[in-house]
Amino acid sequence: AQTVTQSQPEMSVQEAETVTLSCTYDTSESDYYLFWYKQPPSRQMILVIRQEAYKQQNATENRFSVNFQKAAKSFSLKISDSQLGDAAMYFCAYRHMYSGGGADGLTFGKGTHLIIQP
Amino acid sequence: DAGVIQSPRHEVTEMGQEVTLRCKPISGHDYLFWYRQTMMRGLELLIYFNNNVPIDDSGMPEDRFSAKMPNASFSTLKIQPSEPRDSAVYFCASSSGTLPDLSGANVLTFGAGSRLTVL
Repeated sequence: AQTVTQSQPEMSVQEAETVTLSCTYDTSESDYYLFWYKQPPSRQMILVIRQEAYKQQNATENRFSVNFQKAAKSFSLKISDSQLGDAAMYFCAYRHMYSGGGADGLTFGKGTHLIIQP
Repeated sequence: DAGVIQSPRHEVTEMGQEVTLRCKPISGHDYLFWYRQTMMRGLELLIYFNNNVPIDDSGMPEDRFSAKMPNASFSTLKIQPSEPRDSAVYFCASSSGTLPDLSGANVLTFGAGSRLTVL
């Protein structure tokens, strides 16, 4: 079974600084997607960024970027120029894709609570 | 599209009562997922459907839980009888495996969740 580990229960960063959230995963599969979701106090789950395992290039979305190390099974999220609105729980997630089509559900890590200090 | 619609947003009930949570996925999505979120266990996948057919229900905690998807636009998660340990936030999510990749294929879109409290 696949597992996702987020080793940082809580992180704190000053506004406008850069912070990196860690995520590792364990799988024997070769075809999968990785995601970061954000959950603010409203509890809505919001997609931040996704990465296809077959792509070597790291995904970026504005101030958000990932460092995807497939051999090390590591998938960290970097937030640049942190803003107060970035304060939330951040979840790393894995999704296995089947070669013949189809996919499993998401397996989530336990989350990292990100605090932004003004 | 209005996104994934869940109801009710909040439900407070007494132990032993039946609870029904409802979900309307995004039109055109062929996958539907039910998740449960608690402080102790995090986000757990309960069951998911593909083209209205249950694919994996191994996450359903016990026989008191059941889920149905009678058509492509509606799903229910039922708990009967409910117990205090069922108190949690229940999320429904949907995704499409057929959208062009740049449009977000295989990305799960979540509803706002249903917060269940069983007294």
